[in-house]
Amino acid sequence: DTGVSQNPRHKITKRGQNVTFRCDPISEHNRLYWYRQTLGQGPEFLTYFQNEAQLEKSRLLSDRFSAERPKGSFSTLEIQRTEQGDSAMYLCASSASTRGMLEQYFGPGTRLTVT
Amino acid sequence: GEDVEQSLFLSVREGDSSVINCTYTDSSSTYLYWYKQEPGAGLQLLTYIFSNMDMKQDQRLTVLLNKKDKHLSLRIADTQTGDSAIYFCADAGNNRKLIWGLGTSLAVNP
Repeated sequence: DTGVSQNPRHKITKRGQNVTFRCDPISEHNRLYWYRQTLGQGPEFLTYFQNEAQLEKSRLLSDRFSAERPKGSFSTLEIQRTEQGDSAMYLCASSASTRGMLEQYFGPGTRLTVT
Repeated sequence: GEDVEQSLFLSVREGDSSVINCTYTDSSSTYLYWYKQEPGAGLQLLTYIFSNMDMKQDQRLTVLLNKKDKHLSLRIADTQTGDSAIYFCADAGNNRKLIWGLGTSLAVNP
């Protein structure tokens, strides 16, 4: 399967702990996106990379959140000092820049529960 | 700011057509998308339409765009139980990020 993969699929952590999620995009895609989705809501944009450059960050991405894509391939999203309000599904998507915003392919998501 | 609105629920009988509606506010929208999300699964791009088009048909799916009214619809012909899912409308605008609706939960009854 050469789709977008995310690890872990589920993470339960205690408030105040740090967590890190990984996303592996489709190999030929140079654009990578992170979204957050809570129950009953649509995805909310967090940040976006083209190759290794982080080109846009949402105001939702507080200073406790950091994302990297060091070699322009996989990406990590770290949340420091987690809060209960961080509980959500974190979605990663990738696309090819030749198609701009078109055809973002999503991974299965990482469900975070902060207790 | 930009906003996308959808009705939250739709229930149809198997074999009937489903029509899911969406309105958006961004007058500079370039592409509009329909995504499908099944329980426990990721978001799947179903189809998209460019803003200079009125209609796009793809097998059982028909997308209609009324740019004047900023209204988008997705019609699913011969709806099957496997079509039960949440359908999201998303607007690209002229930015790099998608603005999403809350999703319409489609229930298909046998």
